[in-house]
Amino acid sequence: KQEVTQIPAALSVPEGENLVLNCSFTDSAIYNLQWFRQDPGKGLTSLLLIQSSQREQTSGRLNASLDKSSGRSTLYIAASQPGDSATYLCAVPSGVMLTFGGGTRLMVKP
Amino acid sequence: SQTIHQWPATLVQPVGSPLSLECTVEGTSNPNLYWYRQAAGRGLQLLFYSVGIGQISSEVPQNLSASRPQDRQFILSSKKLLLSDSGFYLCAWSVLGNYGYTFGSGTRLTVV
Repeated sequence: KQEVTQIPAALSVPEGENLVLNCSFTDSAIYNLQWFRQDPGKGLTSLLLIQSSQREQTSGRLNASLDKSSGRSTLYIAASQPGDSATYLCAVPSGVMLTFGGGTRLMVKP
Repeated sequence: SQTIHQWPATLVQPVGSPLSLECTVEGTSNPNLYWYRQAAGRGLQLLFYSVGIGQISSEVPQNLSASRPQDRQFILSSKKLLLSDSGFYLCAWSVLGNYGYTFGSGTRLTVV
């Protein structure tokens, strides 16, 4: 059974810092990994989708990497802003369903 | 472009009342559809998924049911709500191939 873990569970940083969110999964036989953002009381917004054949994906200040062999993915946020404050979730497909990590709650202070 | 609609956004219902939440997808055909629930301060739990019209799989036995009367419509129902049914309900869709999952904006259900 696939298990997904995210570290840290919460993170508070001053504005402008570069930061890394970690995601690990137990079954490396995945065909993609997806990072989502969730604002309080809102749905999930897809940030990046990395295919198993890819090492990384970039969107603006966000960069996600994937190392299947070690069962790890990282989400790098450059020059963090208060608007980046949210919960970040990684997820991997298991059959037809997604298995989610517990999320990292990020707060960026002005 | 593909879009997903969920309604209502918020709902307050008394214990024992029925429930119907609706989700529709536009811009794609034969999607896989999902209902997830997120309890306060907790992770996402898959409740139901559907790979086609009339095909429903339940992941967690509970007081809820799901139906898919049309290709791009997914409905979550209950005949009698319990306090424990309170939570944030999210609908999602995916298609075959490595295109990821797309989530709706969610429904906040409070059972009182």
